[in-house]
Amino acid sequence: SQQGEEDPQALSIQEGENATMNCSYKTSINNLQWYRQNSGRGLVHLILIRSNEREKHSGRLRVTLDTSKKSSSLLITASRAADTASYFCATATKTSYDKVIFGPGTSLSVIP
Amino acid sequence: GAGVSQTPSNKVTEKGKYVELRCDPISGHTALYWYRQSLGQGPEFLIYFQGTGAADDSGLPNDRFFAVRPEGSVSTLKIQRTERGDSAVYLCASSPRLDNEQFFGPGTRLTVL
Repeated sequence: SQQGEEDPQALSIQEGENATMNCSYKTSINNLQWYRQNSGRGLVHLILIRSNEREKHSGRLRVTLDTSKKSSSLLITASRAADTASYFCATATKTSYDKVIFGPGTSLSVIP
Repeated sequence: GAGVSQTPSNKVTEKGKYVELRCDPISGHTALYWYRQSLGQGPEFLIYFQGTGAADDSGLPNDRFFAVRPEGSVSTLKIQRTERGDSAVYLCASSPRLDNEQFFGPGTRLTVL
């Protein structure tokens, strides 16, 4: 079974709007990471948030973590066409934090 | 500096053949990961190396899959008696240490006919 699952599976928005993606997981984590993958290209790391952190920012990206609900969200503000990609959350559990488990991803389309 | 590189970028083979996929991590990165990604899915963990040793190989699907990292740098993923279900993109990532962000290579697309 999946450790982490993103929601929604697909999201389509207009350029300039904000995009929010959620990730839920099952087992207590050591850290949670978000990655982006453009079509046909490799994965790029966006943000790593540790279990003792609640919020992190990087440019137009904001990640929150709620360990009581076992969930995280990724907010992209003022979206651009170049943000069109698949977004994955990846978790490292407390008992096996070398084994990073990815969710199935959210496919984001930003329409110019 | 150079990123993670993987060779070949594409590999087409016939069912039953043996293949080797190579990963060159970022210099100085002690942690190295192999993943497999099928179309429309997230990367699936295969194996993790810390230095030369396989610290966690619990993701390898069966004993046809094997990976080595003899000098703690370059790693090779070896697949014996390939099956059509092995077709996927094989991704390699490295990290300066455990519990840190991973830097991914472009992947090797394996097609088993």
